[in-house]
Amino acid sequence: DAGVTQSPTHLIKTRGQQVTLRCSPKSGHDTVSWYQQALGQGPQFIFQYYEEEERQRGNFPDRFSGHQFPNYSSELNVNALLLGDSALYLCASSLGDRPASTFGSGTRLTVV
Amino acid sequence: SQQGEEDPQALSIQEGENATMNCSYKTSINNLQWYRQNSGRGLVHLILIRSNEREKHSGRLRVTLDTSKKSSSLLITASRAADTASYFCATGGNPYTGTASKLTFGTGTRLQVTL
Repeated sequence: DAGVTQSPTHLIKTRGQQVTLRCSPKSGHDTVSWYQQALGQGPQFIFQYYEEEERQRGNFPDRFSGHQFPNYSSELNVNALLLGDSALYLCASSLGDRPASTFGSGTRLTVV
Repeated sequence: SQQGEEDPQALSIQEGENATMNCSYKTSINNLQWYRQNSGRGLVHLILIRSNEREKHSGRLRVTLDTSKKSSSLLITASRAADTASYFCATGGNPYTGTASKLTFGTGTRLQVTL
């Protein structure tokens, strides 16, 4: 049973560029959440998608947007990249609103 | 923003010793979870304790929860080198508002277990 799959594993982008990160949830899960983890910090909630709609959002600017597809997979888009966007981006999936989540291995984004 | 703090920020012990990490949180909770993270990669769910529970065990893990003090502790007994990782506590949102799956993490404890 495949867990949460994220791609790419690593990514280097230039300031001002746009980036798209992808996530496939664990089989049987329908809810996808995205987290940003800066070096040495705990993950911070970006937003959550359920039934192809953004259900909850954390304290992140509109430059961060997302999408969920009918097969429950999800994308995280970040526009106008800043150096401060450099972080590990984690995708987590769950079934409905159950509290325990399964996390992917993350995408390491470096903005130069 | 982070829900709370973990203490200590870093812990170094020898194999076979017990490791205790503490977590404090700010708001009332429905549950608290502990996650493990190896080398800045994905998080692995370890254990969940509900607000009406005081203690829970899973293998070599023991979690306690004191809602009056808004704190939790994770004890790893007979530690192994493979336990070397960062450990995070996380609180879920309110299931009555459909936010239980929104996790708020602490700052983490970096555990180093040496041979």
